[in-house]
Amino acid sequence: GESVGLHLPTLSVQEGDNSIINCAYSNSASDYFIWYKQESGKGPQFIIDIRSNMDKRQGQRVTVLLNKTVKHLSLQIAATQPGDSAVYFCAEIRYTGRRALTFGSGTRLQVQP
Amino acid sequence: DTAVSQTPKYLVTQMGNDKSIKCEQNLGHDTMYWYKQDSKKFLKIMFSYNNKELIINETVPNRFSPKSPDKAHLNLHINSLELGDSAVYFCASSPGGQGAQPQHFGDGTRLSIL
Repeated sequence: GESVGLHLPTLSVQEGDNSIINCAYSNSASDYFIWYKQESGKGPQFIIDIRSNMDKRQGQRVTVLLNKTVKHLSLQIAATQPGDSAVYFCAEIRYTGRRALTFGSGTRLQVQP
Repeated sequence: DTAVSQTPKYLVTQMGNDKSIKCEQNLGHDTMYWYKQDSKKFLKIMFSYNNKELIINETVPNRFSPKSPDKAHLNLHINSLELGDSAVYFCASSPGGQGAQPQHFGDGTRLSIL
């Protein structure tokens, strides 16, 4: 999602539910995509990645889906837990040129007990 | 067993002062980065170094001068601090060359300019 003003888009879910966090990216030439989790007072932490030649990748309780046609990335978290509460960022990189990681604007996930 | 460590964690100072933020990584990575995160949580790359060589300088004012004494350290010196420099600064490192992933981030330095 896109941030509006000073507020991050927020997704509020109940503990135990599944969460889906969405991200729209702009560079159709991006080669690689990453989801990061940032807890309060901490730096971003790698969760899962996916290459542009894939459309789905699964990790432990997390799944990333990539739709290159509409330039959309999603992160699915199964059985969301209170410890999943954080800000989630998608990031993209293109492996030509300057090869710098470009971050999206972030989504805050709040897990209600 | 901290992987990427930054000091200080908080830095409060007056406009016009000069300050430094230190970063060290013990992961044996070849590439290190500095990012700036603004009040809207937007993260943007400032610099990257590969084996002590500057690779990316993302149109950052020349008041910001990174220094890499060895590949495990990338320090950030800021001259003549301005109000707009208030942000959280993150250091990161990654294995391999420029652009290799994933990047490992420190816990940030919150810089507040009075």
